[in-house]
This record gives sequence, C-alpha cells and structure tokens, in this order.
Amino acid sequence: AQSVSQHNHHVILSEAASLELGCNYSYGGTVNLFWYVQYPGQHLQLLLKYFSGDPLVKGIKGFEAEFIKSKFSFNLRKPSVQWSDTAEYFCAVGGSQGNLIFGKGTKLSVKP
Amino acid sequence: GAGVSQSPSNKVTEKGKDVELRCDPISGHTALYWYRQSLGQGLEFLIYFQGNSAPDKSGLPSDRFSAERTGGSVSTLTIQRTQQEDSAVYLCASSLRPEGSYEQYFGPGTRLTVT
Repeated sequence: AQSVSQHNHHVILSEAASLELGCNYSYGGTVNLFWYVQYPGQHLQLLLKYFSGDPLVKGIKGFEAEFIKSKFSFNLRKPSVQWSDTAEYFCAVGGSQGNLIFGKGTKLSVKP
Repeated sequence: GAGVSQSPSNKVTEKGKDVELRCDPISGHTALYWYRQSLGQGLEFLIYFQGNSAPDKSGLPSDRFSAERTGGSVSTLTIQRTQQEDSAVYLCASSLRPEGSYEQYFGPGTRLTVT
C-alpha cells in the first residue's frame, strides 16, 4: 500500500528564513504528488502538484517542490518565509481511486 | 462561486448515539471523497463516490460507518453507535473528475466530539 512520510512534526522559523519540508512516499510506479496547506481556522488548500514533466514544480505564494524519483521524495521549499506562512502542511500521493493518501503533516510556526 | 459546504460545523454527541454528517460538493463535480482528520492519525481516506456508481468503501474503519450520495450530489456520512475514538474532524472533498490530475477541493469540515 502507498504511504507518505513527513519527517518534521513541528518546524519553527524566523521570518526571512528558508524553508524545506521533507516528504517521502512509498510507491515506486507513476505517482501524482501534492502539497496541501491548512492555515489556522481555514480548510485545506492546494499549494502545488506534480503529475509529470519538469520535476521542479512551482505553486502559489512562492512555494516550490522538487520531485526526485530516485529518492522517492517530494520536498517543499520556500526561500524566505513570512509570518503569514504559519500553517500546517500536508504532503499527499494520489491513490488508485483518485483519493489522496496524506502524510501526518508538518506544523510550521514563523516568528515575526 | 460556492465551494464545498459541510454541516453541521460542530457536533457533540453521547457515546452510543448515531450521527449524520452532510456534504454539499461543488456543483458539477462528479467525484466526492470523505476523509477523517484526527490527532495522531493525520488525514485518513474513508470513502469515495464517482457519480452514481457504487462507492469505494475501502477506507471505512468499521461497519458502523456508512455513506450515501443522493442524485450524484449531496452526500451523508452516518456513524452508528458512536464511540469516543470516532471524535475527529470529518472532511469532504470534491473534484471535477476522479482522475488524479483533477484538484480536490475541501470543505471546512465537521468537528465531531463523542462524550
């Protein structure tokens, strides 16, 4: 069965610091990969997605992720975080029925 | 346009009671998904509907859980004889098509507390 691992449970950064959140998935075939974000009190929103093509994917709000097939990884990055990036971030892989299989999430706290 | 809506936003129930949670997907979206978000378990897939086809129930944790989707639109998730471990946020999502390339749009969730 497919699974997703997010290595960091809680990350605390100061504004302007660079961010990298780790994500590894288990499935070795063709994968659809996603990062979702949940801001405090809000519902899940899509940040970015990868299906095929350029392994460096750019999303909203300056986020990007790199698909490295050999490492089964899809890490999320942002060069300079803002206080407004404080949220919980979820990595997910697309299941066989189009459902999403999520990692346990990483809470990001950005100190102003 | 309207997004995915869910009701109620919060539900407190006593152990052993039945509860119904409702999801209104985005109009025209054929695929509908239920997930559960709980502390320590993260986000778990529960059940999936594609149009009027029989649902994929592979993620349901027990036979106390059931769901239906009427007319290919509104969906109801029913939990019978609730247990304390059922306490969680239940999320509904819809997408235009079930293929993985279509974005899933999530509702705000229903927070269920079983006392």
